[in-house]
Amino acid sequence: DAEITQSPRHKITETGRQVTLACHQTWNHNNMFWYRQDLGHGLRLIHYSYGVQDTNKGEVSDGYSVSRSNTEDLPLTLESAASSQTSVYFCASSEATGSDEQYFGPGTRLTVT
Amino acid sequence: GQNIDQPTEMTATEGAIVQINCTYQTSGFNGLFWYQQHAGEAPTFLSYNVLDGLEEKGRFSSFLSRSKGYSYLLLKELQMKDSASYLCALYSSASKIIFGSGTRLSIRP
Repeated sequence: DAEITQSPRHKITETGRQVTLACHQTWNHNNMFWYRQDLGHGLRLIHYSYGVQDTNKGEVSDGYSVSRSNTEDLPLTLESAASSQTSVYFCASSEATGSDEQYFGPGTRLTVT
Repeated sequence: GQNIDQPTEMTATEGAIVQINCTYQTSGFNGLFWYQQHAGEAPTFLSYNVLDGLEEKGRFSSFLSRSKGYSYLLLKELQMKDSASYLCALYSSASKIIFGSGTRLSIRP
């Protein structure tokens, strides 16, 4: 069965370290998204990609980067982790257009100390 | 820009009906999503409305009025497992999906 996975599921890191969160989907979807979810803010879009070699900034992209070298993966990198980046991170994918439902991964809980 | 408003919390009784409202302001509109999210889990898709009117899907229905910038999610015959957060999300003409903060629904026996 097709799925979308994230790793690690939990991560504790120190301020200033570089961290990469993995997202892998086997739906063969063109669109992939990264969100963060904080209490009182709902899901906020960090970066998204509409295909290989395509990446775009979302509403809270500062301090984050992504790369899309194949269809299946969209890793999210925190260049220099800050305590404000403590959050739950969700990866999602959808088929071709923005009107398609998004399938979400299980989430990664990141704590920056 | 875009703005989405929905109540923070609601409580309802098992077996009853509840309506969760969502109002939005946007410069361009393509459609509106509803997602369900149980505590500690990922959001899952419930509905997508593009045209005005009511769309029914089992116990869940979603309504949209584009002229009023208004949508609601109607849940019938409530079950304890319906206790979750319900997220309204706007698909704007800028090809972006913006989520509201969510409504946490608690079902009491």
